[in-house]
Amino acid sequence: GAGVSQSPRYKVAKRGQDVALRCDPISGHVSLFWYQQALGQGPEFLTYFQNEAQLDKSGLPSDRFFAERPEGSVSTLKIQRTQQEDSAVYLCASSPYTLTGHADTQYFGPGTRLTVL
Amino acid sequence: QKEVEQNSGPLSVPEGAIASLNCTYSDRGSQSFFWYRQYSGKSPELIMFIYSNGDKEDGRFTAQLNKASQYVSLLIRDSQPSDSATYLCAVNTQGGSEKLVFGKGTKLTVNP
Repeated sequence: GAGVSQSPRYKVAKRGQDVALRCDPISGHVSLFWYQQALGQGPEFLTYFQNEAQLDKSGLPSDRFFAERPEGSVSTLKIQRTQQEDSAVYLCASSPYTLTGHADTQYFGPGTRLTVL
Repeated sequence: QKEVEQNSGPLSVPEGAIASLNCTYSDRGSQSFFWYRQYSGKSPELIMFIYSNGDKEDGRFTAQLNKASQYVSLLIRDSQPSDSATYLCAVNTQGGSEKLVFGKGTKLTVNP
């Protein structure tokens, strides 16, 4: 079946512009995650949804970052007034919710590469 | 101290050799451990997960977990040039969130 999809794949923004990044999770996956990956680093957690509920947003670096998943499927990560330090790859991942007592495997989308000039 | 530590490498091995990748973590309550492979310019893809102490084998890959030492490793037997990539160790920390904490990754090069 289809994997996680993200759009756009590449985004160039001028400093101060607002951007919106979209994530389409695997059909039926309850959990959705956003990560930020800087060059040469591992992914860093931003936020996590279970269905439409945002259960953890502890990784959002500032109040310029906002995420939503209003119908429990597609999610949008919005960055307001972009800064150069926001340049990174933004990865979306989804997972089922299997209640095994262990964390479920997360499946990653291709990412959106954001460059802020 | 970073929560998940990996040697950034690069690690270079000849084709056919065993590659050994190591990871330590700081949260003693961590329960779930994952190894992802990431090719340059691509997104992470799952290789293996491990939950219990000991070894878990899947084809040429073996994950090893030692919770007492807070250590998890990945062995790749009969390494192939196509295994050349960055390997990311990821840990699910306790506290109710399903988030993963990633190490910086180890870059592996398998030389033909």
